[in-house]
Amino acid sequence: NAGVTQTPKFQVLKTGQSMTLQCAQDMNHNSMYWYRQDPGMGLRLIYYSASEGTTDKGEVPNGYNVSRLNKREFSLRLESAAPSQTSVYFCASSERRPLHNTIYFGEGSWLTVV
Amino acid sequence: AQRVTQPEKLLSVFKGAPVELKCNYSYSGSPELFWYVQYSRQRLQLLLRHISRESIKGFTADLNKGETSFHLKKPFAQEEDSAMYYCALSPGGSEKLVFGKGTKLTVNP
Repeated sequence: NAGVTQTPKFQVLKTGQSMTLQCAQDMNHNSMYWYRQDPGMGLRLIYYSASEGTTDKGEVPNGYNVSRLNKREFSLRLESAAPSQTSVYFCASSERRPLHNTIYFGEGSWLTVV
Repeated sequence: AQRVTQPEKLLSVFKGAPVELKCNYSYSGSPELFWYVQYSRQRLQLLLRHISRESIKGFTADLNKGETSFHLKKPFAQEEDSAMYYCALSPGGSEKLVFGKGTKLTVNP
């Protein structure tokens, strides 16, 4: 049981390049999330998906797009990377109500934009 | 708007000493509150949630609605407790969690 798996783990991009972070969960969860973690800022929600086929903006969506490909997979795309997007990105999944279920996090993807 | 405040970025204690990590929240409704922990080189994981009123690894947290606080406490800190701790709020049972900025706890030998 792998839980939440995200790839790649490390990536260096040049300003203006594009890339997609992949995320998959094997727990049959409805909800999936993308957070970014920055020093002194905690975790901030970029986008989330409450169910297959739906996506909604979080706190810091600018510069990102997402795709909920199916129930298992939720990808995050940077169309034109900027140095401000240097961060650690976490994918997560949960059942619909965090009250009754836990949010499970991936191991993180370290992205550097130069 | 919902907000979670963790006033201490860094907290350092000695092994065996009591530790309290502070968390205050701002939310007009009935909040669901959680503590998450991230050990070095590991993924973020749930430590405890207020609804369960549980004690995990010796940690407890009590929701104080009057003070809008959810402080995390442990009577005797251990070196393995050194980690990053995040307080989080789920507004009205929403799917989304709002996180505080985190407190880095260091337990010195």
